[in-house]
Amino acid sequence: GENVEQHPSTLSVQEGDSAVIKCTYSDSASNYFPWYKQELGKGPQLIIDIRSNVGEKKDQRIAVTLNKTAKHFSLHITETQPEDSAVYFCAARGGGFKTIFGAGTRLFVKA
Amino acid sequence: DAGVTQSPTHLIKTRGQQVTLRCSPKSGHDTVSWYQQALGQGPQFIFQYYEEEERQRGNFPDRFSGHQFPNYSSELNVNALLLGDSALYLCASSTGQDNSPLHFGNGTRLTVT
Repeated sequence: GENVEQHPSTLSVQEGDSAVIKCTYSDSASNYFPWYKQELGKGPQLIIDIRSNVGEKKDQRIAVTLNKTAKHFSLHITETQPEDSAVYFCAARGGGFKTIFGAGTRLFVKA
Repeated sequence: DAGVTQSPTHLIKTRGQQVTLRCSPKSGHDTVSWYQQALGQGPQFIFQYYEEEERQRGNFPDRFSGHQFPNYSSELNVNALLLGDSALYLCASSTGQDNSPLHFGNGTRLTVT
């Protein structure tokens, strides 16, 4: 069935360093790939998304890349700050209407 | 402009009981999706409602049912509660267009004892 795998499950970086989270998806029909940030006690918040006709997208310190051939996509956060500490989820939406989420990456940014 | 609102924020129920959770979508959105998020895991798709009909369903038993009203708000009903139903239930709204981003509420924390 459809599946999204996400790595690593936990990531600890020093403030100012970069953080990279990687995901793979199984459904070849997937064409939309959003990333969400979830803080304690809150619902997931969309931080960036990419569509299958685009290989890379950047928004200030955040960038996403997509390799459709390999079914890989990644989130890159540069110049990390303590407020970036949260759980990050990758997701994929295919030919249907449901969005499938990865298991999440807990990011710790140490000041 | 209010975002997605869910009620109640917390709920404690006993095994075997029934529960109803409520969601009001973001202004301008007509599609509502429900997700279950167990502790330490990603959200799992329950179903999506559009034009007052269930448009797609995930791998959840029939104990999970829903409804969408003409004003696009939605309810999630769970019957015969099990201990394993304890989770954060998230509502997400979107427009009916392809690849419309999901906007989540802060969820309802359900505890089944």
